[in-house]
This record gives sequence, structure tokens and C-alpha cells, in this order.
Amino acid sequence: EVVLTQSPGTLSLSPGERATLSCRASQSLSSASLAWYQHKPGQAPRLVISSASSRATGIPDRFSGSGSGTDFTLTISRLEPEDFAVYYCQHYDSSPPRWTFGQGTKVEIK
Amino acid sequence: QLVLQESGPGLVRPSETLSLTCTVSGDSINTGSYYWAWLRQPPGKGLEWIGSIYYTGTTSYTGSLRSRLTISRDTSKNQIALRLNSVTAADTAVYYCARPSSYLFYAFDIWGQGTTVIVSS
Repeated sequence: EVVLTQSPGTLSLSPGERATLSCRASQSLSSASLAWYQHKPGQAPRLVISSASSRATGIPDRFSGSGSGTDFTLTISRLEPEDFAVYYCQHYDSSPPRWTFGQGTKVEIK
Repeated sequence: QLVLQESGPGLVRPSETLSLTCTVSGDSINTGSYYWAWLRQPPGKGLEWIGSIYYTGTTSYTGSLRSRLTISRDTSKNQIALRLNSVTAADTAVYYCARPSSYLFYAFDIWGQGTTVIVSS
């Protein structure tokens, strides 16, 4: 079973700064199976990136995803006030179907 | 437009059964080769997938809950149901219904707003 480890646990940054979030898998993954979500208190999670690097509908281009194998990265080029949230990486395995999440990275205002 | 709406009791007593319903509007749950999933987030913790049902009715569950969890569907009402037996305080969480998209390699692009469940006497 795949384990996803996200780092850092908390990222304290100012608006306008660059955020780099890491997701490391316990075994090599297909890039297609890796997604990222943004989660704000009191709201449903929002898909940000699918297939490691494809922005979801409506996601601004300051969000980008990259990586392969066991190491994946979500980058927010210039933080906007609305970007401060918790971000989760997630892996889908088809046999049997199951979804695994990392423990999350909180991006907070410095 | 696909909309998912969770409903159920906000308070459940320990050792009893938690029952939740996800009402789907804008699409049929028994067509389209889709999964329908339940996820949860305990207070102060991260997101956890707990189980899913395929449009054919085939289910899959996370290992830690397999002995207590049942996910089913009512196609006449276009609803997905969750039943979790013998609940404890550890089952206190926000429960989400979600649909992963096969076009996005099964990433969850559609979510309900979530429903809070507290297990307490």
C-alpha cells in the first residue's frame, strides 16, 4: 500500500511569495495517478492538479504541479490571499480501487 | 450540473450505527462508469477515503473500516448510502460524498459540502 508523505507540515509565507510543497511516495507511482487538492475550513476540498501536472478547471496558472516516480511538487508561483489553505496530495490505485491522501501541508500567512 | 448533498444525523451515540445519505442530482448513479465515494476528515486530521461504490454496485473499502462499513445505492432515489456500525469517538468527523472523474484519472472533481457527525453519549 502506497504511503504519501508531505513536507513541510506548515509553510509560513507572505502574499506574493513562492510556495513549494512536496509529496513523497513510498513506492514509484504513475504520474497519472497523482492529484493535489486545496482545502479551506468549512468548505469542500477543491481539485487543483490532476495527473501530477494538469491544472483543474478554473485553477489559475500560478499553480503548477511536477514530478515523477516517488517525488512530486506543487508550486504556487506568487501567493494570493485566497491561496492560504491546507493542500493534500492523493494517489489512486486501481487494483483494488482505493485512494490514499498525504497528511497535508498548511500554507499560512506569515 | 452535478450536485452531491450529504444528509444524516449530526449526533450518534457510541456503539450505535451511523447512517448517511448522499443525494445525487444532475446525473444518474448507475450509468457512466463512475465511482461514488465517501471520505471523511476527523477534527484536526487530514482527509481519508473510506469507501466507494462503482456504478455496477461493486464496493471497495479502506482496510481499517472494512468490518464495520457498508456502502450501498438506491437507484430509484439516485442516492448513495453509508452505514458504519459500532461507532466510537474516533468516527467523529466531517463526512464527504465525492465523485472521481475517469477523465482525470479518478481525481475527485465533484464534492458534496460535507456533513459533520459527532459520536457522543
